[in-house]
Amino acid sequence: GEDVEQSLFLSVREGDSSVINCTYTDSSSTYLYWYKQEPGAGLQLLTYIFSNMDMKQDQRLTVLLNKKDKHLSLRIADTQTGDSAIYFCAESNRSGGSYIPTFGRGTSLIVHP
Amino acid sequence: KAGVTQTPRYLIKTRGQQVTLSCSPISGHRSVSWYQQTPGQGLQFLFEYFSETQRNKGNFPGRFSGRQFSNSRSEMNVSTLELGDSALYLCASSSRDSGETQYFGPGTRLLVL
Repeated sequence: GEDVEQSLFLSVREGDSSVINCTYTDSSSTYLYWYKQEPGAGLQLLTYIFSNMDMKQDQRLTVLLNKKDKHLSLRIADTQTGDSAIYFCAESNRSGGSYIPTFGRGTSLIVHP
Repeated sequence: KAGVTQTPRYLIKTRGQQVTLSCSPISGHRSVSWYQQTPGQGLQFLFEYFSETQRNKGNFPGRFSGRQFSNSRSEMNVSTLELGDSALYLCASSSRDSGETQYFGPGTRLLVL
C-alpha cells in the first residue's frame, strides 16, 4: 500500500530556515499536502501542490516536489517560535470518487531562541 | 465561512460503553471524512461520507460506524469501547470547489477507562 515517511524531529534556531522532508511511494499521487498541528488542535492545511508542479511558494513557505525521486519538502523561511508544531506530509490520488490523503507520522519542529 | 466543528471536544467513557461523535462540515461541503489519531498508529482513515452514502472505508472493525444527514452533518459511533479506542478523532470536510482538499475540525479527544 501507499506509504509516506518523514523524520520525527527537527530543531532550528529562531530566524533560520527550516526544511522538512518527506518521501512517498505512490507514483500515481495527484495531490501532495503539508498540514500543521499545534498541541490540542486539529490539522491546519498549510499548502498543497499538484503532482505536475515542481515548486510552489506562499509567503514564508516553499514547497519543492521531485516526482522522479518521490520527494517532497517544505521550507519555512525566517522560522519563528510560533512555527513550533507537528508538520504532516500527505499524498492522495483519486479513489472511489474522492481524494483521501495518506499521512506521514509527522515531524515535530522545535524552534529555540 | 465557519470552519469544521466537532462536538463534544472531550469525552471520557468506560470499556464496553458506546459513544457518538458529531461533525458539522464547512457550509457547502458535501464530503465528510473521519480519522483516528493515536501516538502509536498516527493518523488513520476511518471512512468518508458523501451525499449521505459511505463512499470510502478504511480498515477498522465493524464497531466503528458512521452516517451522514441530508444537511451534510455527520456522526460516527463506536460501540463496545476498548481501551485502545482512546484517541483524537478528527473530522474533515471537502468539496470539489475547494480542490478536494480536506479541512479539519479541532477533533474530539476520547479517553476510554
